[in-house]
Amino acid sequence: SQTIHQWPATLVQPVGSPLSLECTVEGTSNPNLYWYRQAAGRGLQLLFYSVGIGQISSEVPQNLSASRPQDRQFILSSKKLLLSDSGFYLCAWSVVGGETQYFGPGTRLLVL
Amino acid sequence: AQSVAQPEDQVNVAEGNPLTVKCTYSVSGNPYLFWYVQYPNRGLQFLLKYITGDNLVKGSYGFEAEFNKSQTSFHLKKPSALVSDSALYFCAVYEGRRALTFGSGTRLQVQP
Repeated sequence: SQTIHQWPATLVQPVGSPLSLECTVEGTSNPNLYWYRQAAGRGLQLLFYSVGIGQISSEVPQNLSASRPQDRQFILSSKKLLLSDSGFYLCAWSVVGGETQYFGPGTRLLVL
Repeated sequence: AQSVAQPEDQVNVAEGNPLTVKCTYSVSGNPYLFWYVQYPNRGLQFLLKYITGDNLVKGSYGFEAEFNKSQTSFHLKKPSALVSDSALYFCAVYEGRRALTFGSGTRLQVQP
């Protein structure tokens, strides 16, 4: 069966520091991968999605970036965090051509 | 553009009573509709989806949803609520490989 992991689970970072959040999927090949941000425990905002290694589409211009160095690894990064980057970051995957997404446990980021 | 609306921020129901969480949608073609549930500090869990076929879709944990094309609705239902059903529920519509568009979420509170 497929599983999706995210780490760290929780992160507290100062403003201006760099960020790296990791997401990995097991038990499937060539998945579509997604990064979402959830602010204030409510709506989800799609940040990035990827249909293959090195293929990243950005949905919202901001100081975050994403990379997919391996088939089942998706990384969310920032060079300098802002206070407004605080939130709950969720990674998700789907099969190619599939419509159902499966979510990881999330990373809670607090920028101080 | 496709969108979903969840008109209720919170729904309160007594344990053992039936529950309904409302969702309406706006799409240009045939809708692919989803319900997800989120427990505190956790990722989203897939409950059920409607792609085509029977308008009544059954999902996990005893939940079901009714697709109504004339009313453009996809309400989530359960015949008998449990305290453990208390969580945040999201309706979503599939936009193709650009991923899911989520509603703002409805918090379900089941009182013992």
